[in-house]
Amino acid sequence: RKEVEQDPGPFNVPEGATVAFNCTYSNSASQSFFWYRQDCRKEPKLLMSVYSSGNEDGRFTAQLNRASQYISLLIRDSKLSDSATYLCVAANAGKSTFGDGTTLTVKP
Amino acid sequence: DVKVTQSSRYLVKRTGEKVFLECVQDMDHENMFWYRQDPGLGLRLIYFSYDVKMKEKGDIPEGYSVSREKKERFSLILESASTNQTSMYLCATSTTFYEQYFGPGTRLTVT
Repeated sequence: RKEVEQDPGPFNVPEGATVAFNCTYSNSASQSFFWYRQDCRKEPKLLMSVYSSGNEDGRFTAQLNRASQYISLLIRDSKLSDSATYLCVAANAGKSTFGDGTTLTVKP
Repeated sequence: DVKVTQSSRYLVKRTGEKVFLECVQDMDHENMFWYRQDPGLGLRLIYFSYDVKMKEKGDIPEGYSVSREKKERFSLILESASTNQTSMYLCATSTTFYEQYFGPGTRLTVT
């Protein structure tokens, strides 16, 4: 079993839709959590950190559930430019473990 | 803005060659990382360094070595390249161990 698991998708949604991704992690000692965005043939870029209290950045909302060991990302009012692969990350003691990513395609 | 550069975007090498991949950052970050990314396997940590001349093995260090002689530069070395080392190699840097900034990647093909 992978340490960080994500549904690979693909998620194909129309513009304006709301889409949610989940990610589970198996290391209960994980301390910090992130979502990265990776465009095709590009490097991953930090999208947002994930806190226990939940956090929002515009159309993006991230949540952490430590008891169930999962992280979520909600994208509201999807744009064509949101099409990318979203990587979930759990980090502990200097080491970050990346999920394989969930691919999102937003269609007109 | 953090700038992380890698020496080549694309590289083709022959089996058995020694390969050097270089990563340079301009933000004075203490920590630097080397990953490889393969379809279906995601990002896997090869080595990381939290200070000059310091290095730590990641999840898949076999067949690789690293060098960090200066704070801004972290090199990945393939002592004797093999076809199973064909991959996308990504360098990353951070001020903490968590929020990482990636270089553009080097797509290495070993024939």
